[in-house]
Amino acid sequence: ILNVEQSPQSLHVQEGDSTNFTCSFPSSNFYALHWYRWETAKSPEALFVMTLNGDEKKKGRISATLNTKEGYSYLYIKGSQPEDSATYLCACKTSYDKVIFGPGTSLSVIP
Amino acid sequence: DVKVTQSSRYLVKRTGEKVFLECVQDMDHENMFWYRQDPGLGLRLIYFSYDVKMKEKGDIPEGYSVSREKKERFSLILESASTNQTSMYLCASSFRVEQFFGPGTRLTVL
Repeated sequence: ILNVEQSPQSLHVQEGDSTNFTCSFPSSNFYALHWYRWETAKSPEALFVMTLNGDEKKKGRISATLNTKEGYSYLYIKGSQPEDSATYLCACKTSYDKVIFGPGTSLSVIP
Repeated sequence: DVKVTQSSRYLVKRTGEKVFLECVQDMDHENMFWYRQDPGLGLRLIYFSYDVKMKEKGDIPEGYSVSREKKERFSLILESASTNQTSMYLCASSFRVEQFFGPGTRLTVL
């Protein structure tokens, strides 16, 4: 059974603080790693898809890195804003075409 | 603009009722998925479909069935709802890697 884990489970930060959280996944049979942002009352929205070891992606103040050899990805948010409050999901797609989601990290940015 | 819609945002049903959750996508995607999300757990795959009239069991198919008669529509059926099926249900579709999600249906079974 493949497990994708995320830490921390929840996080409260002050507006303007930078933050990061972790997704760990089985490194065997890895194909792709997805990050999604899920705001309350909205659909999960894709942030990044990464496939290669050492990949780094950036979208505005949010960036992500990928280490497929050790099986982890970091998501960074620089200068957190209240609109960044959401649950951040990571999902690992294996070479067997199976997608496994982590439990998510719930971020609250306090104005 | 990519769109996945689900028939209801909130639904309350009684134990033993038959429940239909509908999902429609307008992107001509072949792949469609049904997940449920519960506190502290990731999205767990119930069923998925790679094409019309095709269906595959996910990780937690017990108590559920699905129907895919048309490419754009994927229905999740609870034959006899039980209280442990109270959850948030998410539908998604995909072409290759990225999945596009609907807004979710929060189902409460009393």
